[in-house]
Amino acid sequence: EPEVTQTPSHQVTQMGQEVILRCVPISNHLYFYWYRQILGQKVEFLVSFYNNEISEKSEIFDDQFSVERPDGSNFTLKIRSTKLEDSAMYFCASSSDRGQSWSDTQYFGPGTRLTVL
Amino acid sequence: DAKTTQPPSMDCAEGRAANLPCNHSTISGNEYVYWYRQIHSQGPQYIIHGLKNNETNEMASLIITEDRKSSTLILPHATLRDTAVYYCIVRPSGGGADGLTFGKGTHLIIQP
Repeated sequence: EPEVTQTPSHQVTQMGQEVILRCVPISNHLYFYWYRQILGQKVEFLVSFYNNEISEKSEIFDDQFSVERPDGSNFTLKIRSTKLEDSAMYFCASSSDRGQSWSDTQYFGPGTRLTVL
Repeated sequence: DAKTTQPPSMDCAEGRAANLPCNHSTISGNEYVYWYRQIHSQGPQYIIHGLKNNETNEMASLIITEDRKSSTLILPHATLRDTAVYYCIVRPSGGGADGLTFGKGTHLIIQP
């Protein structure tokens, strides 16, 4: 069964450093998303991406964040200058396979745990 | 998106059916009810979704009331591995770009 994959599983960085979190969405999916979950808190939507541009973004997704689909398979989240409060689990998701059936169901990856020291 | 209300926690004995309720009294006609679960800090796992008819798949059944203001997720034979936080989310059809709004969900604990 196809699945969303994410790398690395755990990233440790120093405050102020740039990090790039990587995701490989399900093949043939058209929409891509990033969410985050601070320890003990709710899963929060960050951004959605469709047709090589941002479709929606939340208030959390400020100028420190950017997303990119550098090739036909990867989807990345970049945090330009990390802060302590960026420590969280980051989940990638994808949806909308226009193959045999149209579906809005979002499928999530296992997440990347980001620790900012 | 319509707001959902779920009990914060529930217990269920292993092997019994787990029935998780969700209220979504402000749901609109074009909004689907989705259920996800999250085991520990893993990524949310899709379970099932429906519009107005009851749905069943290999994981669970979804019962939606006729007025669509509430629903129940049923895990027919709960196992210890079903211990997780279960989220009920309503979302409009065709809202491909929209992010999902997660609440606090129901922490289901399966007792041996």
